Amino acid sequence: DAKTTQPTSMDCAEGRAANLPCNHSTISGNEYVYWYRQIHSQGPQYIIHGLKNNETNEMASLIITEDRKSSTLILPHATLRDTAVYYCIVTISSWGKLQFGAGTQVVVTP
Amino acid sequence: DTAVSQTPKYLVTQMGNDKSIKCEQNLGHDTMYWYKQDSKKFLKIMFSYNNKELIINETVPNRFSPKSPDKAHLNLHINSLELGDSAVYFCASSHLSIEDTQYFGPGTRLTVL
Repeated sequence: DAKTTQPTSMDCAEGRAANLPCNHSTISGNEYVYWYRQIHSQGPQYIIHGLKNNETNEMASLIITEDRKSSTLILPHATLRDTAVYYCIVTISSWGKLQFGAGTQVVVTP
Repeated sequence: DTAVSQTPKYLVTQMGNDKSIKCEQNLGHDTMYWYKQDSKKFLKIMFSYNNKELIINETVPNRFSPKSPDKAHLNLHINSLELGDSAVYFCASSHLSIEDTQYFGPGTRLTVL
């Protein structure tokens, strides 16, 4: 599975959009980009995933660059409950092992 | 209803003891996993079972033995507990497919004294 690079931390004001970058320059053609988050003392929670096209669901949007070497997770209107560690994972399939890195600690402030 | 549940939520025990953590999922998934999150907060997969058969077995000491009595349950038994086993253990489940996502339980915090 390709390795990912994320910023260690970022702050976001409540109500504003949070844009979380992820670099995965060694991604291969059949690998998906997954995003999970872990709120303090809870289990990881699936957010969104994509292969080539941009994706949107009720939680977030995922923008994948045309060369697929990087992606951005967008939380359109951050709330205090979005404070969590966000993990970008690149894998051939989700049923295999998810390789969690250090993630990005996002703190949403009032 | 909780999709993936684990018991107990907290487990405090002495070195050398044997303990079990139970996991159950009511999502109808055919694949279940155990992950370990250490003090540095890194999550690492330990085992994966599909239809009660082991499909992923990372480099985990033999003291750890997963058992899957049926597709909805995956228990983790740990023999001769060591201080380094202290961690949060997460169970997860999914369908065995290319795109399916994993659903995680709330975690079991194991403290070995």
